[in-house]
Amino acid sequence: DAGITQSPRHKVTETGTPVTLRCHQTENHRYMYWYRQDPGHGLRLIHYSYGVKDTDKGEVSDGYSVSRSKTEDFLLTLESATSSQTSVYFCAIFDRDYGYTFGSGTRLTVV
Amino acid sequence: KQEVTQIPAALSVPEGENLVLNCSFTDSAIYNLQWFRQDPGKGLTSLLLIQSSQREQTSGRLNASLDKSSGRSTLYIAASQPGDSATYLCAAPTGGGNKLTFGTGTQLKVEL
Repeated sequence: DAGITQSPRHKVTETGTPVTLRCHQTENHRYMYWYRQDPGHGLRLIHYSYGVKDTDKGEVSDGYSVSRSKTEDFLLTLESATSSQTSVYFCAIFDRDYGYTFGSGTRLTVV
Repeated sequence: KQEVTQIPAALSVPEGENLVLNCSFTDSAIYNLQWFRQDPGKGLTSLLLIQSSQREQTSGRLNASLDKSSGRSTLYIAASQPGDSATYLCAAPTGGGNKLTFGTGTQLKVEL
């Protein structure tokens, strides 16, 4: 088990408020990712990180920012939540021998 | 840009049947391909990772093959069971940064 946890597991927030989701890993993996999963769209990459303070955008990065100040933590922030950001968010780590390992997900509802 | 397609989108089979799930990808310059399982409302569980140097990988009743030249991978499930009911996703790398592009999945139902 790669030891990857996401928090919170569920969150309901109001439109226009900032929201931060946390991903924590225990095995010093360099690469970390944030995906969102929506019906009809599958899994889409939001942002990823290839090291402390090294991040890059994915295909659906608008409205999201990330930070990685420590190897073990990768934070996803919705700067001003909108209803279109209601989704299930998954964090993942990459290991060259084992591929991707995903967290259990955060179900976010923006009302 | 990598595009990943999975066929069929849904499949219903009786228990005990052997079945094949298909995955195709457009960019054959991949270094691996990964199969996942997702139960309703749950996260993704890795089933098999095939490195580009391998042609197949096996885990229990599961066998995944990779043919880079044709841009195809298959997941073979032997002697299916109701507990195999789930959505199966394949994913292939795209660009740099070890990013994955996912197919939209095959929803499998194994009936008693």
